[in-house]
Amino acid sequence: ETGVTQTPRHLVMGMTNKKSLKCEQHLGHNAMYWYKQSAKKPLELMFVYSLEERVENNSVPSRFSPECPNSSHLFLHLHTLQPEDSALYLCASSQGTGSYYGYTFGSGTRLTVV
Amino acid sequence: GENVEQHPSTLSVQEGDSAVIKCTYSDSASNYFPWYKQELGKRPQLIIDIRSNVGEKKDQRIAVTLNKTAKHFSLHITETQPEDSAVYFCAASMGGGSQGNLIFGKGTKLSVKP
Repeated sequence: ETGVTQTPRHLVMGMTNKKSLKCEQHLGHNAMYWYKQSAKKPLELMFVYSLEERVENNSVPSRFSPECPNSSHLFLHLHTLQPEDSALYLCASSQGTGSYYGYTFGSGTRLTVV
Repeated sequence: GENVEQHPSTLSVQEGDSAVIKCTYSDSASNYFPWYKQELGKRPQLIIDIRSNVGEKKDQRIAVTLNKTAKHFSLHITETQPEDSAVYFCAASMGGGSQGNLIFGKGTKLSVKP
């Protein structure tokens, strides 16, 4: 384990369901990120939190709702998703909002929307 | 905003040969360039990075070069081994604050044939 844990590893949900993805880090990092990884596309930044405050939202649809209750935990709440939202959702953390030291990624949640 | 282009999208080499992956970036203010390796079904992991005050960095069989004038940087893997097979992502950022978020290339799938 690298210190960033994501659960669940796999999730299948219907378009009318509500589910949440969880990310936890014990590296003492102050920034956490949600990325979406789809086939043949770059890693897409969705949300950035620094010291529990959201600092960036890259025009993500409102059916994705992040929550960062403390610097160690990050959630992504999902509701009324579309099939095109099926992807690998990666959480990452870094020492600050700045990436001089690189990101540590979690293993991701493989989401399938049916 | 920053845009990172990565080539080639797929690369196949014989074991023992060298592999080179190239990336270009658009924002001359970018100053931090990491490379991530993602093996099948696993998380992206930082393998090497370079900052804009350095032209080249080497770590055993892996090296990265940076040409700030041309705004491109490259990953060089020598004496490739089957375990080098993975998807490699380049990224760029301006290294600090809200501008420090990593912008990733689309990835290169490297296959090393024994």
